Parts: sequence; structure tokens; C-alpha cells
Amino acid sequence: ETGVTQTPRHLVMGMTNKKSLKCEQHLGHNAMYWYKQSAKKPLELMFVYNFKEQTENNSVPSRFSPECPNSSHLFLHLHTLQPEDSALYLCASSRRLAGGDRTYNEQFFGPGTRLTVL
Amino acid sequence: AQSVTQLDSHVSVSEGTPVLLRCNYSSSYSPSLFWYVQHPNKGLQLLLKYTSAATLVKGINGFEAEFKKSETSFHLTKPSAHMSDAAEYFCVVSDPPRSGGGADGLTFGKGTHLIIQP
Repeated sequence: ETGVTQTPRHLVMGMTNKKSLKCEQHLGHNAMYWYKQSAKKPLELMFVYNFKEQTENNSVPSRFSPECPNSSHLFLHLHTLQPEDSALYLCASSRRLAGGDRTYNEQFFGPGTRLTVL
Repeated sequence: AQSVTQLDSHVSVSEGTPVLLRCNYSSSYSPSLFWYVQHPNKGLQLLLKYTSAATLVKGINGFEAEFKKSETSFHLTKPSAHMSDAAEYFCVVSDPPRSGGGADGLTFGKGTHLIIQP
């Protein structure tokens, strides 16, 4: 049990649909992330939220719209997606910790949402 | 900028024999390094992490990794493979946080698929 849950676990949608992915962390963390995992490609960071503020957007198309209402919940709103957006979408959370003279960024991942766009 | 290269996309070993998964990194700073494992249809689980302390890091399930700055490597090893070790393994780098705080996404390698032969 990682303490990070994602719903739904599987989603099939048409290109004209609107849907949302949900992530919830029960670890008391202050940062949350969305990653995209496509076949034969490295995990790609999409968005970073720190204390509910978006601090990074890795040139993600506007058809993906994140929302972070509080530090425990993160959403990814989807609309007019393309078939190439089919992938596993992973949510993660972290808490900045001090480790000696450096901080490190240990992230805890949810099980992912397997998205298929038809 | 940071990057990670996992030198083998697939590694196959017999049960009971040693495992070596290779990883080289590039970073402008003194990075934090991680190995994550992903079993089929599951999220990512942290195996071990290097921050700034001992260069030989021990993780869960008998895995360990050695940070070698001169070689910019962080190879993952295990003395004796078990069937349950079959999974995808990711080497991950994280640069130190930007000044002023904030959370940072991780940079993932492409992954190494570990196959265990009976």
C-alpha cells in the first residue's frame, strides 16, 4: 500500500468525450505530480504542484488540464484527446526532507490509470 | 540538465544467479539517484535511494546499488535472483531543488525489463 490512490484504474473514451482522472494521497505530502507512461518511452513528467500551486508544466497540450484543490487531491481533466494520448497516467506525491547537506525528492506513486482513447 | 541512460532494455538471468542492471547519469549538480521497480499492472515502488551519505546503498528485497561519481554510474545489483524479481526497473535522477524551494519532477531512464529464467 503506497498511500496514493488513483481512480479510475481503467478508462476508455472517445475523442470527443470529457473525463477526469483523480488522485488522492494519504501521506501528508505537500507536492503532487502527474506522469505519462507510454509504451517504449520513458516516463514523462507532465505537471508538478507544490502546496497547491502549479510549479511546472512540461509543454503539455491544453487538452490536459490539471487541478489541485488541496494538497491531498489532484485531478487531470481530459477533453478532445487523441489516440496517441493512450497511456498509463501515474500520480505521485512527495514531501521535501532534509538529508544531510542536501534535500532529496522521494516520490510515492499510485497504481495508475490505464487510458485508451478510441 | 539531467539525464539517465539505462544501458540494457532487457536482461535475462537464471534464478539463483546474480543480477546486474546498469545505469549511467548526467547531471550538472550532485544529484539524488533512485531505483524504482514496476511489476505488471502495478505502480512504481522505490527500491533504494542515494542522497549524499554512503556510496553503497542497500534497498529492499536484497537489492543494492553503488554510486560511482568518477564513472557517473549507479548500477543495481542483487546476489541471487528470485522469480518474484521479474519486473521493469527504472533508474531515476533528481537534481537538487531550485533555490527558494519547490518540488521537482524526476527524470526517468527508459527502463530495463528483468526476466528470470527458472
